[in-house]
Amino acid sequence: EAQVTQNPRYLITVTGKKLTVTCSQNMNHEYMSWYRQDPGLGLRQIYYSMNVEVTDKGDVPEGYKVSRKEKRNFPLILESPSPNQTSLYFCATGQLAGGTTDTQYFGPGTRLTVL
Amino acid sequence: AQSVAQPEDQVNVAEGNPLTVKCTYSVSGNPYLFWYVQYPNRGLQFLLKYITGDNLVKGSYGFEAEFNKSQTSFHLKKPSALVSDSALYFCAVRDGANAGKSTFGDGTTLTVKP
Repeated sequence: EAQVTQNPRYLITVTGKKLTVTCSQNMNHEYMSWYRQDPGLGLRQIYYSMNVEVTDKGDVPEGYKVSRKEKRNFPLILESPSPNQTSLYFCATGQLAGGTTDTQYFGPGTRLTVL
Repeated sequence: AQSVAQPEDQVNVAEGNPLTVKCTYSVSGNPYLFWYVQYPNRGLQFLLKYITGDNLVKGSYGFEAEFNKSQTSFHLKKPSALVSDSALYFCAVRDGANAGKSTFGDGTTLTVKP
């Protein structure tokens, strides 16, 4: 079954304690991306990756890091989380076609609370 | 810079009536346009897309959308709404010249009343 998995699904942490949210896909997609969803603000793109070892900033990259060492995984790292990073996070994947990306497939989301 | 506007936070319709959820966009290159739906406590699901070709695009669950280049709009429509269509709908745009960057609207909550 084609899947995008995120772990953990729920996380409560404290300010400054480093954390990683994992994203894994089994669809062999080149493209992966992270978004955060906040009420009234829709989805905002944090980082994206067009392929292994290729990452780029989205609209709200501050306070986040990513890496793409292998095709199936795209972890999101918060080195020093702050309360304003409390949000619902989604990972998405997609195929590349003609040099651009097409439909995105979303994971189930990770609800992060930073106290 | 690219942007998407969904001017209505909320759309209410009666079951069986037609529905429209509005979306306008701004990109510098060719637009790639998408609609996604989010049901409560779920991730986003793809509904339909416009990349090129026919301006009227048909998608999942009986939804369709019309690409209007002159008005830079991509409104989502359905001829006859169902209660089960109640959800949060997102319009998204990608600039054909910037392959990886995606911009989503703020979302429109559709409520269909029996």
